Amino acid sequence: ETGVTQTPRHLVMGMTNKKSLKCEQHLGHNAMYWYKQSAKKPLELMFVYNFKEQTENNSVPSRFSPECPNSSHLFLHLHTLQPEDSALYLCASSLQGDRGRNEQYFGPGTRLTVT
Amino acid sequence: LAKTTQPISMDSYEGQEVNITCSHNNIATNDYITWYQQFPSQGPRFIIQGYKTKVTNEVASLFIPADRKSSTLSLPRVSLSDTAVYYCLVGVYSGSARQLTFGSGTQLTVLP
Repeated sequence: ETGVTQTPRHLVMGMTNKKSLKCEQHLGHNAMYWYKQSAKKPLELMFVYNFKEQTENNSVPSRFSPECPNSSHLFLHLHTLQPEDSALYLCASSLQGDRGRNEQYFGPGTRLTVT
Repeated sequence: LAKTTQPISMDSYEGQEVNITCSHNNIATNDYITWYQQFPSQGPRFIIQGYKTKVTNEVASLFIPADRKSSTLSLPRVSLSDTAVYYCLVGVYSGSARQLTFGSGTQLTVLP
């Protein structure tokens, strides 16, 4: 185990639903990340939080809304998704990342299917 | 458009050395290069990280030329359990912005 947990592991939702993905890290890290991994694309960084402050948002549609209440928890709120949003969503954490120097620990991911 | 490219797949036999190269022409100044391994249904796992020249740990070596526009992950004496997808991760310039970007991944298959 990596010390990063994600729930749920699998999620099926309709396009009109609202759901949330949860990530928790037990490593004492202060940076947390959301990634999207689709079948035909490389891992895509979505959001980065350092010390609970969002520091990166890589042009992610507003139907994805992140929340970081503290350094140990990260949420991804989902609403009115599209079928092309179906993917594996991975959470990671690290010590405060600067210039990619710090090792990221990944959770097992949430497999999301939008119907 | 900033790109981080890797070969799509590689095959090897047990006991051989495997070298996987990642090209990152627009690597950001002062950014480190990190490699990850991913098995099916799992998140990526850190293998090795470096800034320049050569880095070695207990599982791999990382070679980075002086211009830092590429990096090569070297796995000595691979075994069947090394079958996985390998990704490089670097910060690259896209226009004036720096983006943390994963390579497209290399599926390594180790054959008996």
